[in-house]
Amino acid sequence: GAVVSQHPSWVICKSGTSVKIECRSLDFQATTMFWYRQFPKQSLMLMATSNEGSKATYEQGVEKDKFLINHASLTLSTLTVTSAHPEDSSFYICSAHAQGPDTIYFGEGSWLTVV
Amino acid sequence: GENVEQHPSTLSVQEGDSAVIKCTYSDSASNYFPWYKQELGKRPQLIIDIRSNVGEKKDQRIAVTLNKTAKHFSLHITETQPEDSAVYFCAARAGNDKIIFGKGTRLHILP
Repeated sequence: GAVVSQHPSWVICKSGTSVKIECRSLDFQATTMFWYRQFPKQSLMLMATSNEGSKATYEQGVEKDKFLINHASLTLSTLTVTSAHPEDSSFYICSAHAQGPDTIYFGEGSWLTVV
Repeated sequence: GENVEQHPSTLSVQEGDSAVIKCTYSDSASNYFPWYKQELGKRPQLIIDIRSNVGEKKDQRIAVTLNKTAKHFSLHITETQPEDSAVYFCAARAGNDKIIFGKGTRLHILP
């Protein structure tokens, strides 16, 4: 069935550096992907909508200059956390919508730890 | 935008009993309501979903009901087992395809 792959699963980075997370739809095309963040013991919060070939749309309170999203192809969206700080440490997860069947698929998620 | 409220935040039930989790949504245009189970450190797993043209759906021990008029939907787990212990999230998809999640319910199955 349709699969969404996310990489890396785990990443540790130093404060002030940037980290890129990739989200790929493996056997379907996704014009839209979504990025979520989940802090411990909390729910998944929608950060932004990634639109193929155009700018991402960000939810209120999410800094677009800090969380750069690129959706250059129909199967790949990337989230770059720029100048990461410890408070950015979280579980980041993407999702993509497959048209046929009409289903939402999630990536495996990426654990980011900023030290 | 869509807002999803979920109750209770924590639920403990005796093994074998039923568990019910309730959600409400705000956007009448929402048309798809999935439920996810998330175990520690793992991604959410879709366990059941319901679309706005259906009032109830069942899959073995799991059922979901939808009341469009009241904007309520509920998850019912019968004959609960230890492996049902997890965090459950309801969600609603609005017309713009965004999936908005409830805050989650931590379900404990007591031996």
